[in-house]
Amino acid sequence: AQKVTQAQTEISVVEKEDVTLDCVYETRDTTYYLFWYKQPPSGELVFLIRRNSFDEQNEISGRYSWNFQKSTSSFNFTITASQVVDSAVYFCALSEANSGYALNFGKGTSLLVTP
Amino acid sequence: KAGVTQTPRYLIKTRGQQVTLSCSPISGHRSVSWYQQTPGQGLQFLFEYFSETQRNKGNFPGRFSGRQFSNSRSEMNVSTLELGDSALYLCASKSTSGSFHEQFFGPGTRLTVL
Repeated sequence: AQKVTQAQTEISVVEKEDVTLDCVYETRDTTYYLFWYKQPPSGELVFLIRRNSFDEQNEISGRYSWNFQKSTSSFNFTITASQVVDSAVYFCALSEANSGYALNFGKGTSLLVTP
Repeated sequence: KAGVTQTPRYLIKTRGQQVTLSCSPISGHRSVSWYQQTPGQGLQFLFEYFSETQRNKGNFPGRFSGRQFSNSRSEMNVSTLELGDSALYLCASKSTSGSFHEQFFGPGTRLTVL
């Protein structure tokens, strides 16, 4: 069963629009970690953020912000004032003890930002 | 600090052959994990090595194997290649084997099996 669901396969926005990428996860562990990675066309996965299950504080980093809600098992990612350079595939991932903390990735959301 | 390096970047093999991929982690990092990325299955965990020992293994057949050397460099081997092994193979390093530290990924090796 898919443990991380990214329901949006592709999103297309015009530059300067805000966009939210959804991530829903499933786990029975009380201690787990959630991640977002960006994969540009070059292929390398770029780490964006890590959250542990005990820290539900939202985080903002420049134009990026993350909303972690345990009640809905969601860890959504918002890009404010999107730019063409934000075009990439974004992956949400779950790391939990019962899988030896391996990263369990969602299928990814392909974001295209057009000028 | 240099990032994670993977060699070769591109590889073309034929069915039945074997292949070895190499990964050099960030200096000081002792944990190396391997992931396979395909259009159909997405990103899937292969295995993790820490201090030359396999610490964790994903759900892949025995044709996929790996090892880690004393300098933390890791190799991944795939024997008897199948068409379905065509994928981007990503290596990730982190400073410990625990969950707390984020994994940093290399650029990947793109393997094509003909």
